[in-house]
Amino acid sequence: AQKVTQAQTEISVVEKEDVTLDCVYETRDTTYYLFWYKQPPSGELVFLIRRNSFDEQNEISGRYSWNFQKSTSSFNFTITASQVVDSAVYFCALLGDNFNKFYFGSGTKLNVKP
Amino acid sequence: KAGVTQTPRYLIKTRGQQVTLSCSPISGHRSVSWYQQTPGQGLQFLFEYFSETQRNKGNFPGRFSGRQFSNSRSEMNVSTLELGDSALYLCASSLVGDRTNEAFFGQGTRLTVV
Repeated sequence: AQKVTQAQTEISVVEKEDVTLDCVYETRDTTYYLFWYKQPPSGELVFLIRRNSFDEQNEISGRYSWNFQKSTSSFNFTITASQVVDSAVYFCALLGDNFNKFYFGSGTKLNVKP
Repeated sequence: KAGVTQTPRYLIKTRGQQVTLSCSPISGHRSVSWYQQTPGQGLQFLFEYFSETQRNKGNFPGRFSGRQFSNSRSEMNVSTLELGDSALYLCASSLVGDRTNEAFFGQGTRLTVV
């Protein structure tokens, strides 16, 4: 079965704080992709990153970084020096063998206060 | 390059009515997927179309149906609307719909059933 768990429902931080959003996944597929999407109030899902199951290298993109650990089935997302514009709901998602069928976590709402 | 366009953005319908939502993918993209987002169930996969054929279907009742036209535009239809169908309906387009392609999401259609 495919499953993505985001245990943090809502997180509030003050601007410039670092924040980590947790994501734990379950899959029996040997090859799979993991994603993070950002959903601002306007509704669309904005793509942030995609990792495949064979690439455990951590990635940094500006203030964003991702830590992929197959041993713990986790794909955590860290925002460094958070900004008010980072306020949104963040979704972790899994794409297994089944073409374009995403399995989404329940999302983490991030509130960044000035 | 235009993004994924969903129309209408907002819709209010009465129980028992039917509704049709439209999704125009990014030019050249042939795969369109639909998702339902509700506060209780989160983001759930409805179905995916590729080259006018439904390739994948989620666990939704037969009241939910869709189709894809030769220009890759897709429509989804919900018949005999129920209050629980109130949700944000998102569509995603990708080039060929395999896991190596990035999926781009539209802003969604917010359906309210009264």
